[in-house]
Amino acid sequence: SFVLTQPPSVSVAPGQTARITCGGNNIGSKSVHWYQQRPGQAPVLVVYGDSDRPSGIPERFSGSNSGNTATLTISRVEAGDEADYYCQVWDRSSDHRGVFGGGTKLTVL
Amino acid sequence: VQLVESGGGLVQPGGSLRLSCAGSGFTFNNYWMTWVRQAPGKGLEWVANIKEDGSEKYYVDSVKGRFTISRDNAKNSLYLQMNSLRAEDTAVYYCARGGPHSDPLDYYYYMDVWGKGTTVTVSS
Repeated sequence: SFVLTQPPSVSVAPGQTARITCGGNNIGSKSVHWYQQRPGQAPVLVVYGDSDRPSGIPERFSGSNSGNTATLTISRVEAGDEADYYCQVWDRSSDHRGVFGGGTKLTVL
Repeated sequence: VQLVESGGGLVQPGGSLRLSCAGSGFTFNNYWMTWVRQAPGKGLEWVANIKEDGSEKYYVDSVKGRFTISRDNAKNSLYLQMNSLRAEDTAVYYCARGGPHSDPLDYYYYMDVWGKGTTVTVSS
């Protein structure tokens, strides 16, 4: 089964750039999607198809995907960006199923 | 565009529960739909998907044979019938819409609209 690995936590000062990674075997061959989940709230899609942004998501959020690592980059981090972030792919290697990474807690110092 | 879940609650191990999700503000029968759950203090876990016309369904291994996803497009509604419930099924269950052009056969599936969730607690 396909496994996505995220760092449990990332910390960054306001105004700096946060990079959250999502590792997986040849993940560059899959489409990666990212979700933000603030405490007590439902997830929100912030990046889909590796690097596309839904309407209403600031340009500060961007994504990339190559080789064995996908990355969510948040530029000019704000206090309101503090949340859990999850990467997600669709896996067909053994059976059709959705796969989430374990999540990364972004702390704004 | 809105999704509203209902039907959660407290149930004993081995019991059953049926979750519902009402969609509004979009053409419901044009989208795949998904259930995702989150156990207390844990990450997100995909549970099940259903195609626009209900002809294809996929499940996570841990719920196969116990849960059934279905939909009624005439009522703009998604359902999750949960039988033989276990303590490890305790979670917030989210209903989510498959994003435009999502197709599992193309390795391309994401969720662009989420409900607020409904809580299921399995305990004696």
